[in-house]
This record gives sequence, structure tokens and C-alpha cells, in this order.
Amino acid sequence: DTEVTQTPKHLVMGMTNKKSLKCEQHMGHRAMYWYKQKAKKPPELMFVYSYEKLSINESVPSRFSPECPNSSLLNLHLHALQPEDSALYLCASSFSGTGNQPQHFGDGTRLSIL
Amino acid sequence: GQQVMQIPQYQHVQEGEDFTTYCNSSTTLSNIQWYKQRPGGHPVFLIQLVKSGEVKKQKRLTFQFGEAKKNSSLHITATQTTDVGTYFCAVIQGAQKLVFGQGTRLTINP
Repeated sequence: DTEVTQTPKHLVMGMTNKKSLKCEQHMGHRAMYWYKQKAKKPPELMFVYSYEKLSINESVPSRFSPECPNSSLLNLHLHALQPEDSALYLCASSFSGTGNQPQHFGDGTRLSIL
Repeated sequence: GQQVMQIPQYQHVQEGEDFTTYCNSSTTLSNIQWYKQRPGGHPVFLIQLVKSGEVKKQKRLTFQFGEAKKNSSLHITATQTTDVGTYFCAVIQGAQKLVFGQGTRLTINP
């Protein structure tokens, strides 16, 4: 059972669409993360929010826009994506944003760009 | 930043055989984490190693951190079909960025 909930589980969208991925955790964690994972590759960090503030943006294209409305929620807004953006998008959380904390991952959203 | 090389990339074993995956860094690590990702699933945290020479066991899994804190291994004794998946080591780069090794994909012949 995962304690990090992601919706939707699957998403197919055209390159001109706007959609949002959502992530929620109720473990009281204060750090939340977005990762992108291509098939047979490791997860790659995109964004880190620590105490609801964006602390890391790994030079992600502006067509990906993160948002952290509160300490339990994390969104990823998508606009004008490219076919190479098709991947599994994973949300994770940890107790704090320091590097010695385990990260808890959601099931991910499998995104396909047509 | 800190990077880790993980080998092997793939490992196929007969059920009941042992399995080991290795992670190596050119720099001293503050700690190392291990995750397992089942096919179609998400990474699940297994353990964190912090101390030089540390050895931790979880049932049939044994985790080691090298004396110089530059390498780590995960050993599974007598594999079972439930062990199938990809095992990742992960290290911290900077204060918050978790960097994963390439992973070792374990498949098992029952």
C-alpha cells in the first residue's frame, strides 16, 4: 500500500492540451518531489519542494510547472508537451528535505503524448 | 556532484541462487540508500547505510557499506520469485537531490 497517492494513473494527451498531475500525502512530510522515469531507466529528479517552497528545479522545461498549494498536495501542470515527455511521473515525499531521509513514492502517472 | 556506478545492469538467476548488486563511487559518500522497484511499480525504500563498514540484514537481504564509504552492495540469499524487480542504489547530491544508480534488473527462473 502506498501512502502517497497520485492521480490520474494514466494520461494520454495531445501536444496542445493542458493537464495536471496531482499528488497527495498525509504523513506530515514537509518535502515533496517530482521525478520523471523513462522505461528501463532510473528516476530523474525534476523538482523539490521543501516546506511548500520550491527549493530545486533541475532545469526542467517551462512546459512543466509545479505547484505546492499546501504541505500535503503537489501538482504538476503540463502544457504543450512533446512526445519525448512520455514517461512515468513519480511523486515522492520525505519527512524533511534533508538528504538522510527515505523517500516514499506514489504509484506514478503513466503519461503518453500523442 | 556525486554519482554512482551500479553493476551489473541485468542479472538472471535460477530460483534459490544468490544475487548481488554493487554500487561504486569515486568520492566518499555521506550515506547510501537502496530501493526496489517491482515491474510496473514504484520505487520502495529498503534501507539506508550511514556508517563506514556498516552491515545490515533484512531477512534474506544483506546490505554493506564499504570501509571507505565509496561502495555498497546488496546481497540476496536464496532468491525467490518475489525478489524480481530492479534494485537501485541512491546517493545524495548537494543537500536534497537524490541521484539513483542505473539499477540492476533481477529476473528469476522458477
